[in-house]
Amino acid sequence: DAGITQSPRHKVTETGTPVTLRCHQTENHRYMYWYRQDPGHGLRLIHYSYGVKDTDKGEVSDGYSVSRSKTEDFLLTLESATSSQTSVYFCAISEGLAGGSHEQFFGPGTRLTVL
Amino acid sequence: QQQVKQSPQSLIVQKGGISIINCAYENTAFDYFPWYQQFPGKGPALLIAIRPDVSEKKEGRFTISFNKSAKQFSLHIMDSQPGDSATYFCAVSNTGTASKLTFGTGTRLQVTL
Repeated sequence: DAGITQSPRHKVTETGTPVTLRCHQTENHRYMYWYRQDPGHGLRLIHYSYGVKDTDKGEVSDGYSVSRSKTEDFLLTLESATSSQTSVYFCAISEGLAGGSHEQFFGPGTRLTVL
Repeated sequence: QQQVKQSPQSLIVQKGGISIINCAYENTAFDYFPWYQQFPGKGPALLIAIRPDVSEKKEGRFTISFNKSAKQFSLHIMDSQPGDSATYFCAVSNTGTASKLTFGTGTRLQVTL
């Protein structure tokens, strides 16, 4: 398995509280991504990073922010959690090499429940 | 708008049969078409991927067929086994844009004995 860990693996929180999910990689890959997975929607990109301090929005970025201060860590923050953000969150990494592999490797996921 | 449409939503196949999952896309700028396999409680994992310069790619029992003019691609699982029971996602990407993936909605495959 690619060296990707996510923490916490499970979290229950209340509406209105801030939540931070962490993704840590040991592969030194340039690109990192946050997805959410919901029944009937597949996986949808929230935010991604193409380098330290370089991030951009994905398809469903409203209500989420991210930070990447080190190559190995990518944080996803829900500033004020809502019930609609109950989901399974996956982090992914990719080398994204020109002419090479664009495979994304996924972490084990974080199940977040917002009550 | 939905950039990639996947069908069927679920599929039941007998052991030894052929499983076929289809995806259709709109944007001709996409140049990377992977299929991911996901088991319950796990993250998705790349199964097989194709570039638009070939019409077919085979890896073991898994084959991608790609029709550029129709903007469709499909996954064929030959000699389906119970261990293939999982959820399969197609995805599309423009590799010039940070290799971002847009996923289909998934197909739950069950292979029965």
